[in-house]
Amino acid sequence: NAGVMQNPRHLVRRRGQEARLRCSPMKGHSHVYWYRQLPEEGLKFMVYLQKENIIDESGMPKERFSAEFPKEGPSILRIQQVVRGDSAAYFCASSSGQATGELFFGEGSRLTVL
Amino acid sequence: DAKTTQPTSMDCAEGRAANLPCNHSTISGNEYVYWYRQIHSQGPQYIIHGLKNNETNEMASLIITEDRKSSTLILPHATLRDTAVYYCIVRPLGSWGKLQFGAGTQVVVTP
Repeated sequence: NAGVMQNPRHLVRRRGQEARLRCSPMKGHSHVYWYRQLPEEGLKFMVYLQKENIIDESGMPKERFSAEFPKEGPSILRIQQVVRGDSAAYFCASSSGQATGELFFGEGSRLTVL
Repeated sequence: DAKTTQPTSMDCAEGRAANLPCNHSTISGNEYVYWYRQIHSQGPQYIIHGLKNNETNEMASLIITEDRKSSTLILPHATLRDTAVYYCIVRPLGSWGKLQFGAGTQVVVTP
């Protein structure tokens, strides 16, 4: 499967724990984007990364959230000290980086905070 | 970025064409019109995009008015698997992957 791979697909955490979501982009893609979809709401852009660089993090909450895309390995979205409001579907997308290139989305990681 | 307006929902009979309208009256010259869809609980799927000319691919056709203030996505022969939320998005050249998803149109294809 050469698509965008996200894991875990489902994650349950208790309040105060940490959540780590992983995303492997499509083969040949070096641009990764994270989006969040709260229950019954639309998708919201969070962050845009290229290898080892954060390009745009204007949609990231200021506290507890961080993202990285290391030289080797998948992109990681990390949420520290989770709260119930963090319960959502987190989607990763990748692109080739062309100015009008389409985004290819993964199937998402669904975080539930108890 | 320009905003888009879409109907909240629409029904379509299986086998018939589905015509999904989108208004983007504040679109500027360097902004493209993109369509994505999201089938329940899945990741969004790219459908088509265009600047000012009509476009067609294996999934759909995109008709953009001459003044570019509105567009229509056409699914030529809707199937039950086309039931999804369809998003019309205006994307400036150079905005990379920062897409502004609105509420979209919930399309239900009925037998």
